[in-house]
Amino acid sequence: KQEVTQIPAALSVPEGENLVLNCSFTDSAIYNLQWFRQDPGKGLTSLLLIQSSQREQTSGRLNASLDKSSGRSTLYIAASQPGDSATYLCAGFSSGSARQLTFGSGTQLTVLP
Amino acid sequence: DTGVSQDPRHKITKRGQNVTFRCDPISEHNRLYWYRQTLGQGPEFLTYFQNEAQLEKSRLLSDRFSAERPKGSFSTLEIQRTEQGDSAMYLCASSRLDRPEAFFGQGTRLTVV
Repeated sequence: KQEVTQIPAALSVPEGENLVLNCSFTDSAIYNLQWFRQDPGKGLTSLLLIQSSQREQTSGRLNASLDKSSGRSTLYIAASQPGDSATYLCAGFSSGSARQLTFGSGTQLTVLP
Repeated sequence: DTGVSQDPRHKITKRGQNVTFRCDPISEHNRLYWYRQTLGQGPEFLTYFQNEAQLEKSRLLSDRFSAERPKGSFSTLEIQRTEQGDSAMYLCASSRLDRPEAFFGQGTRLTVV
C-alpha cells in the first residue's frame, strides 16, 4: 500500500527566501505525482503534474522534481511571497491503483512579510 | 472551462439524517473522484468513476455511503443515517482519460450535530 509522507508539517520563512518542500513515498512504482496548494477551508488547486516519464516540471516560480529510485519528490519555490502562504500537498498514483491518488498530510507554509 | 463545481458548499445536519452532495466535473473529463478530508490530514480516496461506471471503492465507503454518476456527467454522493464521525470536507475531482492531472472542486463541508 502506497504511503506518502511530507516533512516538515509546518514551515515559516521570511519573504523572498527560496525554499524546498519534501515528499517521500514508499512504493517506487509510483507514477504521475501531483503537487497541490490548499488555502484554509478551500479545495485543492493543482500546481504541477509530473508524469511517469518525466523527472521535473516548472511553472513560474515553482519547480517540482521526481526521483522514483529514492522515492522522493521536491517542490522548490523561488523568491517566496506572503501570498504563497498555504498548505502544500503532494499526491501520487501507484501501480497498484491507477485510479486513486494517495496524499501526504501536507506542509503548512507561512511566508512572513 | 468553469472548473469542478460542488453543491452545497456547507451542510449542517442532525445525526441520523440523510444528506446528498452534488459534483459537476469539467465537461470533457471522463474520470470523476470523491475524496474525504478531515482537519490536518490529506484527502482520502472514497470512490472513482470512469464515465458512468463506478470502478473503484475504498474500504472507507461503508454501506451508508452511495455514489452515482448516472449519465457520465454530474455525480452525487449520499450519506444515509449520518454520524458525527462523518463530519469532514467532501471533495470531488475530475480528470481526462489521456492526462491524469486531477482538478478539484471547492468541496462540501459537512457538519453532523
